[in-house]
Amino acid sequence: GQNIDQPTEMTATEGAIVQINCTYQTSGFNGLFWYQQHAGEAPTFLSYNVLDGLEEKGRFSSFLSRSKGYSYLLLKELQMKDSASYLCAPKGTYKYIFGTGTRLKVLA
Amino acid sequence: SAVISQKPSRDICQRGTSLTIQCQVDSQVTMMFWYRQQPGQSLTLIATANQGSEATYESGFVIDKFPISRPNLTFSTLTVSNMSPEDSSIYLCSVEPGWLAVNQETQYFGPGTRLLVL
Repeated sequence: GQNIDQPTEMTATEGAIVQINCTYQTSGFNGLFWYQQHAGEAPTFLSYNVLDGLEEKGRFSSFLSRSKGYSYLLLKELQMKDSASYLCAPKGTYKYIFGTGTRLKVLA
Repeated sequence: SAVISQKPSRDICQRGTSLTIQCQVDSQVTMMFWYRQQPGQSLTLIATANQGSEATYESGFVIDKFPISRPNLTFSTLTVSNMSPEDSSIYLCSVEPGWLAVNQETQYFGPGTRLLVL
C-alpha cells in the first residue's frame, strides 16, 4: 500500500528549532520532497532527498532513510512566517503521494 | 525553477456549467499534473497530462468529467464539466521539468484556481 504518516499539528516558539517527522510507504521510490503551504496558497518546494542522509538549505534541512521509510524536516531559527503546513511527499514509481501535512504554529 | 501561471485565479460558477482552467509554464516540461485540494485536506491527484498522448486519470476521476488537453510542452487545460457544489475546491496545476531541466525530478505548483460552485 501507499501511505504517509506525519503529526497533524506542532507548535514551537520563534527562534527555536523544530523537527517534523514523516514515515511513508510507497510502490517504488524516486525521491522524497518537502513542501511548505501557507493557508490559501499553493505548495512551494523546500527540499528533495533521493539518497540517504542530510540535505541542508539555509534554515531548512531534510533527512532521509530509505531502509526505514523515514524522513524529517528540520527548521532552525524559527520565524513567524514559518507558520504553515509542511507536506512530506514521497514519489513512487509514477506519482507523488501527499498526506494532509503537519500544521506548524510559530508563537512569539 | 519553472514559473507557472493559472487562469482564472478564482471563479464562481452555477451548477451544471463547465469551467476550463488554463496552466501556462515559462519553459518546456515533460510532465504536467492536475490536483484538487479541498479545505483542510491533502492534495488529490486528478490526472497526469502528457504531451502527445492521452492523460492518465486516477481512480475516481474520469475523462468525461475532467477532460484534459496538453497541446505542447508548456501548456495544459483542465475542464471541470457539469459542475456541482461538490466540485468546489482549489485546482492546482503542477509540473515536473524532467529531462528538459536541471531539477528534473522536482515538482513545482502553480498558484491554483479557487472554484466555488453554487
